[in-house]
Amino acid sequence: GAVVSQHPSRVICKSGTSVKIECRSLDFQATTMFWYRQFPKKSLMLMATSNEGSKATYEQGVEKDKFLINHASLTLSTLTVTSAHPEDSSFYICSATTGASNQPQHFGDGTRLSIL
Amino acid sequence: GESVGLHLPTLSVQEGDNSIINCAYSNSASDYFIWYKQESGKGPQFIIDIRSNMDKRQGQRVTVLLNKTVKHLSLQIAATQPGDSAVYFCAENWAGGTNAGKSTFGDGTTLTVKP
Repeated sequence: GAVVSQHPSRVICKSGTSVKIECRSLDFQATTMFWYRQFPKKSLMLMATSNEGSKATYEQGVEKDKFLINHASLTLSTLTVTSAHPEDSSFYICSATTGASNQPQHFGDGTRLSIL
Repeated sequence: GESVGLHLPTLSVQEGDNSIINCAYSNSASDYFIWYKQESGKGPQFIIDIRSNMDKRQGQRVTVLLNKTVKHLSLQIAATQPGDSAVYFCAENWAGGTNAGKSTFGDGTTLTVKP
């Protein structure tokens, strides 16, 4: 149980385009979803916390107008990287949780984003 | 600020040996801790967790130890196998409120298992 599907797994696109990444909890209701960015050989950097039906809470330094997050249902959250530039190239990972403080996060397999 | 950190960034062990990965945390209010395993190119996978009212929890080949006195967490892997090669992250969960379920992650330890 507790499967999270993230799509696409890899995307390559030109500078200036927008890219949407989907995160779905397949067998449980995810009250809260998190979006992370991970640099090579580094830990997970939290970008934003997304609660179903409300606006995402962004971490300091993360541009909310650049990284648009939508969590319209208990099983789906999306991250849209708008007007992507080469410096946005990275590994993006989502996770989902029931929202309880004594439960682990369940992670997707990440999206490798490459902006040319 | 509060942080979760790992003592060693890399660990190399021989296949069949036991592995111990350590983690220090600083938020004494945290009451739930998790170990994750991340293989190359994938997202982290849950391995084992422990609540603050326990000091030891065992799973299949893995054991987590919690020492609240010195704020130390460790992951022990018995009879380490090549498939255990990965990056291991410890994490502590925020206690509640609007940040319920939010975790602070350590820097990660890369475990390499030599055949």
